[in-house]
Amino acid sequence: EDQVTQSPEALRLQEGESSSLNCSYTVSGLRGLFWYRQDPGKGPEFLFTLYSAGEEKEKERLKATLTKKESFLHITAPKPEDSATYLCAVPDSSNTGKLIFGQGTTLQVKP
Amino acid sequence: NAGVTQTPKFQVLKTGQSMTLQCAQDMNHNSMYWYRQDPGMGLRLIYYSASEGTTDKGEVPNGYNVSRLNKREFSLRLESAAPSQTSVYFCASSPPGLAGVEQFFGPGTRLTVL
Repeated sequence: EDQVTQSPEALRLQEGESSSLNCSYTVSGLRGLFWYRQDPGKGPEFLFTLYSAGEEKEKERLKATLTKKESFLHITAPKPEDSATYLCAVPDSSNTGKLIFGQGTTLQVKP
Repeated sequence: NAGVTQTPKFQVLKTGQSMTLQCAQDMNHNSMYWYRQDPGMGLRLIYYSASEGTTDKGEVPNGYNVSRLNKREFSLRLESAAPSQTSVYFCASSPPGLAGVEQFFGPGTRLTVL
């Protein structure tokens, strides 16, 4: 069964305290892994796509990495404005473009 | 480019009332999707449309109908609203290409059914 699991559910950091969010997946034939950021009351905002194990993408303080079983979103020296819920998703095995989303990790960065 | 737009932003219905949620995209995307997001449940796919003229059920289609009016517009209809349909509804679209393409989301409609 296709599945995406994110951990932890919630993460509190002090400003400047680096950490990582995890997204593990079970799907037949990975055709991409997507990271989104969602602010309260808004729709998910696309951040990254990773297609193959070993691939890395960076954007400001965020770096996403991919292995054969999981992806990490590393947050370096976070700021309060990085506070949001981070979602990961993978296309399901049906090859129809449908995405399976994880439950998300809610990050709070305190000044 | 407005991206993906949704109307209304907020709606309160009484049990049994009907309504249509509207979604439009101006990115010339082929595929469009409707999701609902509930606390602890994540994003769940209701219906999707791979191209103009086609629609298919997602994970939670019961109680909903959809119409792909043209390439730009994809509407979601609740024929007889129930309190279990209280949720935040998101529309998304994705460009043509291989299955592994990102989806772009609208701002959401917050629906309460009393």
